[in-house]
Amino acid sequence: EVQLVESGGVVVQPGGSLRLSCAASGFTFDDYTMHWVRQAPGKGLEWVSLILWDGSDTYSADSVKGRFTISRDNSKNSLYLQMNSLRTEDTALYYCAKDIDPYSSSSNFDYWGQGTLVTVSS
Amino acid sequence: SSELTQDPAVSVALGQTVRITCQGDSLRSYYASWYQQKPGQAPILVIYDKNNRPSGIPDRFSGSISGNTASLTITGAQAEDEADYYCSSRDTSGNLRVFGTGTKVTVL
Repeated sequence: EVQLVESGGVVVQPGGSLRLSCAASGFTFDDYTMHWVRQAPGKGLEWVSLILWDGSDTYSADSVKGRFTISRDNSKNSLYLQMNSLRTEDTALYYCAKDIDPYSSSSNFDYWGQGTLVTVSS
Repeated sequence: SSELTQDPAVSVALGQTVRITCQGDSLRSYYASWYQQKPGQAPILVIYDKNNRPSGIPDRFSGSISGNTASLTITGAQAEDEADYYCSSRDTSGNLRVFGTGTKVTVL
């Protein structure tokens, strides 16, 4: 059974930093592109960042580029999101999500975690 | 452009058919996928690559695309289909991903 479990969400002050983690199990982690998607309270989904299966390339939304860094450790079946220079508008539930096909990168996310809540507030 | 636009809300009578649309320039080049999200739950993929259903998704869900508009059709809507629906695709550069603005579906 595929499982994605996010952790690391806390209350942090504006300008602060945070690292989110996503522990994956039930599939061959290093075969799949992984994504972070966020959802502000009461709002829609916003794609944040992706990393290819071998970590060779990453892409991030303009809203987080230069502040957030996605990474992965395939030896630990783990995905990370390093978040720096946090703003109040980064307050959201952060999901990790798995791409549907191996060795590809799409907008088709077939498994999602339950999310971890990041609150940026003074 | 990296915008995908959806109608904010639609309603459908139980057992009837509803179509949800998603408009954006990138849809002329890339397929859309569709997600269902119920309150307090993570999204679920219901349609991908225009009209493919993941295992376990009922065949009353179907997708199509024409020009810059992707559509999700629910044929014979059930009470459990009441949810928010989001489209997703690549942006016009092809490198980034983008979600639509979301449509709240109410089953009457």
